[in-house]
Amino acid sequence: DGGITQSPKYLFRKEGQNVTLSCEQNLNHDAMYWYRQDPGQGLRLIYYSQIVNDFQKGDIAEGYSVSREKKESFPLTVTSAQKNPTAFYLCASSQDRAYGYTFGSGTRLTVV
Amino acid sequence: AQSVAQPEDQVNVAEGNPLTVKCTYSVSGNPYLFWYVQYPNRGLQFLLKYITGDNLVKGSYGFEAEFNKSQTSFHLKKPSALVSDSALYFCAVRDRSYGNNRLAFGKGNQVVVIP
Repeated sequence: DGGITQSPKYLFRKEGQNVTLSCEQNLNHDAMYWYRQDPGQGLRLIYYSQIVNDFQKGDIAEGYSVSREKKESFPLTVTSAQKNPTAFYLCASSQDRAYGYTFGSGTRLTVV
Repeated sequence: AQSVAQPEDQVNVAEGNPLTVKCTYSVSGNPYLFWYVQYPNRGLQFLLKYITGDNLVKGSYGFEAEFNKSQTSFHLKKPSALVSDSALYFCAVRDRSYGNNRLAFGKGNQVVVIP
């Protein structure tokens, strides 16, 4: 079945560490997105990519980085510059404007 | 610019009663409209969408939504709520203008169905 796979489901980070969240899709979608979800704040866009080898900052890109070397993959790195990284991270993909998004099951990142 | 407002933080409803979750939107042109549901520690699941045509859209799990252009609303409804409908619901909009490939999400509504 086609879908989006996020891994790991749970991730623990020590202060000062970089961590990378994986997002893989086999839907052949061009566009991919990363969102951060905090209680009571809805979804906030971190980065998005509409095509391979191209990506744009979203509303809260500081402290995060991404790459889009393959159509299927859009990994997100949470760097040590992100001072409050504890959150639920969601990856999504989309084929066209009328299609909407397909979401992964999320990664819960906790700083320890 | 595009935006969505979901005015209520939480909706409480008794099991078997009608459920309504409100959504209003703002776009420059014409909208594509979507509803998603999220269960705890899960991703968002698609419920239904309005693209064109009939203003009443039927979706998954007995949900439906009505597009009202004059009121710029897209309220989600279910005639008889189930306890299993307790979840977080998101409304989203995308302007149809070319090149706009981003959805704007509302902040979400927590629905609590009371047995």
